[in-house]
Amino acid sequence: QKEVEQNSGPLSVPEGAIASLNCTYSDRGSQSFFWYRQYSGKSPELIMFIYSNGDKEDGRFTAQLNKASQYVSLLIRDSQPSDSATYLCAVNGAGGFKTIFGAGTRLFVKA
Amino acid sequence: EAGVTQFPSHSVIEKGQTVTLRCDPISGHDNLYWYRRVMGKEIKFLLHFVKESKQDESGMPNNRFLAERTGGTYSTLKVQPAELEDSGVYFCASSQYLGTGAPDTQYFGPGTRLTVL
Repeated sequence: QKEVEQNSGPLSVPEGAIASLNCTYSDRGSQSFFWYRQYSGKSPELIMFIYSNGDKEDGRFTAQLNKASQYVSLLIRDSQPSDSATYLCAVNGAGGFKTIFGAGTRLFVKA
Repeated sequence: EAGVTQFPSHSVIEKGQTVTLRCDPISGHDNLYWYRRVMGKEIKFLLHFVKESKQDESGMPNNRFLAERTGGTYSTLKVQPAELEDSGVYFCASSQYLGTGAPDTQYFGPGTRLTVL
């Protein structure tokens, strides 16, 4: 079992729709959870982090965390073609610094 | 504010040669990380520095890899001798230590694409 699992996609949504990206993790002691966006050939760019159960909203992005289910998700509202990228879920363990990445989900937003 | 920089952006070497990658973190960031992404795989943690000290090098593949951060500023990652399976993109990231309980927000550099022939 991978430590951080994501559906590789591609996930295709029409412009203006909600894109829902999901991630599960295996280490129950994980404390911090991150979503990165990576455009092809570029470095990962942090979108959001979350460390408490529930929802956290930032503009068009909402991160959701459920520690009991070991599940974290990212919702992108009003998806734009510029949101087309690979979205990486990342988890920090109990030590707080070693970041474990999922393989990423490719998102395509169709104009 | 300048971001994390890495040099070179690309490196093509032959098996058995030595390559040294450099990372300059964001000024003032004590934490520095090295990661590697092999084609088709997820980004893998290699090691973590706090200032000049190695805090966690559990991800280093083998003793052909040597990372240093003399003076707690820039870091180098040397691969000697390089093997075919070392090919990939090597990312560096840095963060500022904010204290216990605060998430460690890492900022990534553009990466060095290493190709071993």
